Amino acid sequence: EAGVAQSPRYKIIEKRQSVAFWCNPISGHATLYWYQQILGQGPKLLIQFQNNGVVDDSQLPKDRFSAERLKGVDSTLKIQPAKLEDSAVYLCASSPTGGGSPLHFGNGTRLTVT
Amino acid sequence: QKEVEQDPGPLSVPEGAIVSLNCTYSNSAFQYFMWYRQYSRKGPELLMYTYSSGNKEDGRFTAQVDKSSKYISLFIRDSQPSDSATYLCAMSARYGGATNKLIFGTGTLLAVQP
Repeated sequence: EAGVAQSPRYKIIEKRQSVAFWCNPISGHATLYWYQQILGQGPKLLIQFQNNGVVDDSQLPKDRFSAERLKGVDSTLKIQPAKLEDSAVYLCASSPTGGGSPLHFGNGTRLTVT
Repeated sequence: QKEVEQDPGPLSVPEGAIVSLNCTYSNSAFQYFMWYRQYSRKGPELLMYTYSSGNKEDGRFTAQVDKSSKYISLFIRDSQPSDSATYLCAMSARYGGATNKLIFGTGTLLAVQP
């Protein structure tokens, strides 16, 4: 089974610029998650989709972050405008269902904001 | 107080040692407990998954959950240099079967010296 695919692997931008990340989950997985992992910390949930609907976006900074999951498959996460504190690894994960099923992670996109 | 507490380490042990990694938590609603292993510049990969209290063994790895003490552990027997990674505990509660908000610890960095 192919894993969760993410691109790009690395991105360097200047503050106030915009950036977008792409995620393709494991085939058939209904639930998709975006996590932010700051260096030395555990991943923090930004947004969770169930098919193409948002289940939880309570920790998403909505003034600058947006995410969509069209057709319930691929997803994009956008930051506009970026701040220095957005420097982190952005991890996408998927699971067959919600409610306690284990997550399968991609290798993430490492964002550096200068 | 954080919902999940984990000693960040680093923890350095000689090859062949028994390693004990631990997390404590405050939310009594947590029922699903996981350990993820994260190699440098990679996404977390699921190592162990347990539901409710008890022990689970898989090869050299044993996961323990003590819900009465709100304490979970991961034991690694006969540790190998290839076990060198960051170990993240994670846990979730079930909210009506819809959400799977996984809360992670900060991770413990383990180095197994040959």
